[in-house]
Amino acid sequence: EVQLVESGGGLVQPGRSLRLSCAASGFTFEDYAMHWVRQAPGKGLEWISGISWNSDTIGYADSVQGRFTISRDNGKNSLYLQMNSLRPEDTAIYYCAKDAGRTWYTWFDPWGQGTLVSVSS
Amino acid sequence: QSVLTQPPSASGTSGQTVTLSCSGSSSNIGSNIVNWYQQLPGTAPKLLIYSNHQRPSGVSDRFSGSRSGTSASLAISGLQSEDEADYYCAAWDDSLHGVVFGGGTKLTVL
Repeated sequence: EVQLVESGGGLVQPGRSLRLSCAASGFTFEDYAMHWVRQAPGKGLEWISGISWNSDTIGYADSVQGRFTISRDNGKNSLYLQMNSLRPEDTAIYYCAKDAGRTWYTWFDPWGQGTLVSVSS
Repeated sequence: QSVLTQPPSASGTSGQTVTLSCSGSSSNIGSNIVNWYQQLPGTAPKLLIYSNHQRPSGVSDRFSGSRSGTSASLAISGLQSEDEADYYCAAWDDSLHGVVFGGGTKLTVL
């Protein structure tokens, strides 16, 4: 069974940093692109970043470009999101999602259960 | 303001067919595939329709998707109470170089 388990969320002050992790199992992690999608409280879904199977292709939404960094460790079957200079508007549930393809975006399937990040003083 | 436009709410009675719309532009729906996700209350989103009209294994054939020009739609037939959820459309946007979502449609089964 394919499983994605996010961790690393929590309460953080504005301007500080946080690193999210996503542990993958049940599939050959190195064969697929991966993504982070977030959902602010009571709001819709927002794609924030994606990374190809070999990390050659990486993309970010404008809202996080320059502040967030996506990475992966295929040896550890793990996806990461380093979040710097956090703002209150970054408060959201952060989902890790597996792409159906290898190189870039096709569709997200499945999604992890999410980890909550709250940015507040 | 979402790049893809979805009506915020929709409703129907049990057994009815409802159709949810998703409107975009030439840089997203007009040139790329559309996917649909279902988010049941308090849970993570789940893939419902991929590549405009394909259903993943395990998804009921009561769900069907289509795309025409710069718009897409999701039809749900034989509406059931367990279909109450938020539905999101998504597509790659060539201008923004990223995935864009609709704002979501909250479906209520009366």
